[in-house]
Amino acid sequence: EAGVAQSPRYKIIEKRQSVAFWCNPISGHATLYWYQQILGQGPKLLIQFQNNGVVDDSQLPKDRFSAERLKGVDSTLKIQPAKLEDSAVYLCASSGDSLPYGYTFGSGTRLTVV
Amino acid sequence: GQSLEQPSEVTAVEGAIVQINCTYQTSGFYGLSWYQQHDGGAPTFLSYNALDGLEETGRFSSFLSRSDSYGYLLLQELQMKDSASYFCAVREAAGNKLTFGGGTRVLVKP
Repeated sequence: EAGVAQSPRYKIIEKRQSVAFWCNPISGHATLYWYQQILGQGPKLLIQFQNNGVVDDSQLPKDRFSAERLKGVDSTLKIQPAKLEDSAVYLCASSGDSLPYGYTFGSGTRLTVV
Repeated sequence: GQSLEQPSEVTAVEGAIVQINCTYQTSGFYGLSWYQQHDGGAPTFLSYNALDGLEETGRFSSFLSRSDSYGYLLLQELQMKDSASYFCAVREAAGNKLTFGGGTRVLVKP
C-alpha cells in the first residue's frame, strides 16, 4: 500500500512569514495526526482528526497554527506568522482502527525559520 | 496528562543485547508502543503491548508491566543498522492518541 505522503520536504522561511504543509494519509485510514518534532526530542501531538472532525487540538498554538482536513482525506497545516521556535520537523501520520493501532508516518517537512 | 522517561543514549557493540527502559505516568492507559527512527527518517512502528508480558518480533522484543507503569524494548543480536533513536509511546484511553517519550539514541559500534 502507498505510504503517507507529505510535501514539501524542506522549507526555509523568514520569521513572521506564513507556511503551509500538506499531507495525504493512507487510503482508508480515518484518523490523521500532525506532530511537531524538535531536534533531539520526541514527536509532540499538535492535532488529531477523525475523518474531518477534530478529536484533540489541545496542544495546537491556535493563535498562529491552523489545520483542516477537508472531505476526511487530505490535510493541511498552516503557520502564520512563523516564529524562530517553530523550526522543527512536522510529521503527519495516519492510523487504522484495529490492533496493533500502529501509526504510519510520512517523511515529514523540515521547517527552518530564520 | 502523560509523562514518559527513557534513557537518552545507549552504546553497544555489534552482536550485543540492549534493553531500553521506559517508565510512564498517565491518567488513562490503553497500551505502550515502540517506534524506531533513523536520522532524517520517519518514525516506524515496532511493537505494541496492551497486556502484561513479553511480545517477540524477530530480534526485537517488548515487555510491559502495567502494575509497575514500566516497559522495555529489547534489541538482540545488534546490527549496525539498528543505530537509531527509539521512542516509547503511551496510547491513551481516549482515542488512539499517542504521547511519545524523549527517545533513546542507540549507537552500535563495530
